[in-house]
Amino acid sequence: AQSVSQHNHHVILSEAASLELGCNYSYGGTVNLFWYVQYPGQHLQLLLKYFSGDPLVKGIKGFEAEFIKSKFSFNLRKPSVQWSDTAEYFCAVNGKGGSNYKLTFGKGTLLTVNP
Amino acid sequence: GAGVSQSPSNKVTEKGKDVELRCDPISGHTALYWYRQSLGQGLEFLIYFQGNSAPDKSGLPSDRFSAERTGGSVSTLTIQRTQQEDSAVYLCASSLEGAVGYNEQFFGPGTRLTVL
Repeated sequence: AQSVSQHNHHVILSEAASLELGCNYSYGGTVNLFWYVQYPGQHLQLLLKYFSGDPLVKGIKGFEAEFIKSKFSFNLRKPSVQWSDTAEYFCAVNGKGGSNYKLTFGKGTLLTVNP
Repeated sequence: GAGVSQSPSNKVTEKGKDVELRCDPISGHTALYWYRQSLGQGLEFLIYFQGNSAPDKSGLPSDRFSAERTGGSVSTLTIQRTQQEDSAVYLCASSLEGAVGYNEQFFGPGTRLTVL
């Protein structure tokens, strides 16, 4: 069974600090990888995704993530966070074969950015 | 255009009562999904619809849970004889297609269910 592990439950940063949120997955095959974000009071929305090709993917609002296949990781990064980045971040995976519609999510990381 | 909508946004019920949660997907999206987010947990897959059929119900936690989709559009998730452990946010998502290739899943705002 596939699973996703997010290492940090709650991260607190000051504005302009650099961000890295960890995500590791377990899956017996090739995968698609995603980061979703949920801003306070808003819907869950897609931040970025990796299907194939360049393992460094860029998303909205200056976020990027790097897929390291050997480490089964897909960490999310941002060089300089803003107060408006305060949100909950979810890493998710689905397999390319079989039940490839089913997203498996991590438990989420709450990011608080202090002004 | 309009996104995925869900109703009600909040539902408080007493243990043992039945509840119905509704999802209106984005127009033209053939695939629809239900997820559940419990306190401190990630999103948990419940069921997937392609059109009106549900090829995967594997995530439904018990036979008290059922879902249907009519006209390839609106879906209803029904929980019978609710229990306190059913308290969670129930999220609906839709996408252009499901198992054929991958298309981004767009999520609704969720229904927060509280069982007293």
